[in-house]
Order: sequence, then structure tokens, then C-alpha cells
Amino acid sequence: AQSVTQLDSQVPVFEEAPVELRCNYSSSVSVYLFWYVQYPNQGLQLLLKYLSGSTLVKGINGFEAEFNKSQTSFHLRKPSVHISDTAEYFCAVSELGDDKIIFGKGTRLHILP
Amino acid sequence: DTAVSQTPKYLVTQMGNDKSIKCEQNLGHDTMYWYKQDSKKFLKIMFSYNNKELIINETVPNRFSPKSPDKAHLNLHINSLELGDSAVYFCASSPGGGATVVTQYFGPGTRLLVL
Repeated sequence: AQSVTQLDSQVPVFEEAPVELRCNYSSSVSVYLFWYVQYPNQGLQLLLKYLSGSTLVKGINGFEAEFNKSQTSFHLRKPSVHISDTAEYFCAVSELGDDKIIFGKGTRLHILP
Repeated sequence: DTAVSQTPKYLVTQMGNDKSIKCEQNLGHDTMYWYKQDSKKFLKIMFSYNNKELIINETVPNRFSPKSPDKAHLNLHINSLELGDSAVYFCASSPGGGATVVTQYFGPGTRLLVL
């Protein structure tokens, strides 16, 4: 069965600095990968997804992620964060042919002024 | 127009009561889901319906019963509420078929507090 590990529960970063949120997955078959963002007191919003093709995926709000099959990683990056990026970020994985998405435990991004 | 909507947004109730949460999507999707997010923000799938048919039923107490009157609606009924049921419940939907089936769109959540 697939699983997702987000090693960092919280990441503090200064405004306008770059950030990387780490995500590793485990699966014995091909997968789809996702990053979702949850702003305070709101539902989840899809940031970006990897289904196939180019391993570098660009999403909304200036975020991008790179699928690395050999390292089973899908780290999320942004070159310059803004205070409005303060939120909980969830990495998720789904195995091909499976309707189920498994979410990581989330990483809280704190933007410091 | 709200794509995935849930009612109520907040629900405070006493232990032992029975309550329902409603979900509606106007995206024309075939598949709908219920997730539970606990106080530590951990998201866990509970149920999934495809065209009114139950396709995912995780290990959830049988006090929780989903009902899908049509493919645009998936309601969650909870009997004999317990303190541990306090959480945020999210509804989601996804298109049917191929890779698009797994791209899920989430509702705003229902914050349930059991006293």
C-alpha cells in the first residue's frame, strides 16, 4: 500500500526567502502525486499535480514541484514566499487505478516578517 | 458559484445525539468522498461513492453512514455522537475516468464539536 511522509511538521521562513517543503512517498506501482494547500479555516485547494510527462510541475501561486522517481520524492518549492503563503501544505499520492488518495500529515509553513 | 458546498459549516452538539452533514457538488463529477481531519490536521478518507455506489469504505465505525441520493449529493449521517468524533469533515469530488478521477476538489469543511 502507498504511503506519504512529510518530514517537517513546521517550516519557518522569512518573507521573500525561498522555501522547500519535503515529501517522500512509498509505493510498489506507478503513482500520481499532488500538493494541496489549506489556508486557515478553509478547505483544501489543489496547488499542483504530477500525472505523467515532465517531472517538473508548475502550479498556482508560483509554486513548483519536481518528481524524482529514484528518490521517491516530490518536493515543493517556491523561490520567494509571501506572507499570504502562510498555510498548511499536504502532499498526497494515489496509485494508478486506485480512486483513493493518501495524504501526508501536512507541513505548516510560517512566514516570518 | 461554489463548486463543492457543505452544510452546516459549524456543528456543536451533545454526546449521544444523531446529526447529518450534507454535501453537494455542481461540477458534474461522478465520484464523491468524505474525509475526516483530526485536531493534528491529519486527513483520512472515510468513504467514496461513484455514481451513487459505495466504492471505498475505510475502517469507520458503523455509526457513520453515508447516503448518496444522486451523484451530485453525498450526505453523512452520524449516530450516537462521541467526543472523539469532534473533527473537521471534508467532502470532495472528482471527475470519472482515467487520470482525472484522482484530482479531487474539496468543500470548505464542517467543523463538528461534540460536547
